[in-house]
Amino acid sequence: QQQVKQSPQSLIVQKGGISIINCAYENTAFDYFPWYQQFPGKGPALLIAIRPDVSEKKEGRFTISFNKSAKQFSLHIMDSQPGDSATYFCAAKTDSWGKFQFGAGTQVVVTP
Amino acid sequence: NAGVTQTPKFQVLKTGQSMTLQCAQDMNHEYMSWYRQDPGMGLRLIHYSVGAGITDQGEVPNGYNVSRSTTEDFPLRLLSAAPSQTSVYFCASSYSGTAISGANVLTFGAGSRLTVL
Repeated sequence: QQQVKQSPQSLIVQKGGISIINCAYENTAFDYFPWYQQFPGKGPALLIAIRPDVSEKKEGRFTISFNKSAKQFSLHIMDSQPGDSATYFCAAKTDSWGKFQFGAGTQVVVTP
Repeated sequence: NAGVTQTPKFQVLKTGQSMTLQCAQDMNHEYMSWYRQDPGMGLRLIHYSVGAGITDQGEVPNGYNVSRSTTEDFPLRLLSAAPSQTSVYFCASSYSGTAISGANVLTFGAGSRLTVL
């Protein structure tokens, strides 16, 4: 049973468009919410992260929106580029030992 | 600085065979972990360690053993491989402790793709 539910499973967006990936969680003890980006044949790498005391965090074209009351958070990729084509995982963490719960992943394809 | 190194990158086993996936990190991270990645399932934690001599189970530990004799190495052992263990395995490490921001950043290896026939 996944503690972090991620949608959609896959996403196709045109170059310049906006990609939106959503995640929902139940455990209110989660205190850190990162997004990881994974290219084919590679391990995931941290993209951007947010804590529950902040409603939004922006780094370049990537923005996390966080809704604590709804227990939801989302990743927005603005001005999507073909180089953004990858699998994106949301995650949540509960304690100090880096024990993360990951979502199922979203494969994003950006068409030229 | 190599980061997290996993070997082998690819392996084919027959049902019932045993093998060890190797993981080494050179960042002096206390925390190390093993995940498996399956389509539609995301990354699921198999086992983790918060320091040399200390290991604990994740959410899918059955069929796997680990040990942590040094800070640098965290091997994953498959005792008797089954087709259900066909997957891509990732080792990841981080610092530990809430006082250190690096505790929130997992550094992953490149993965080991295992096929069990």
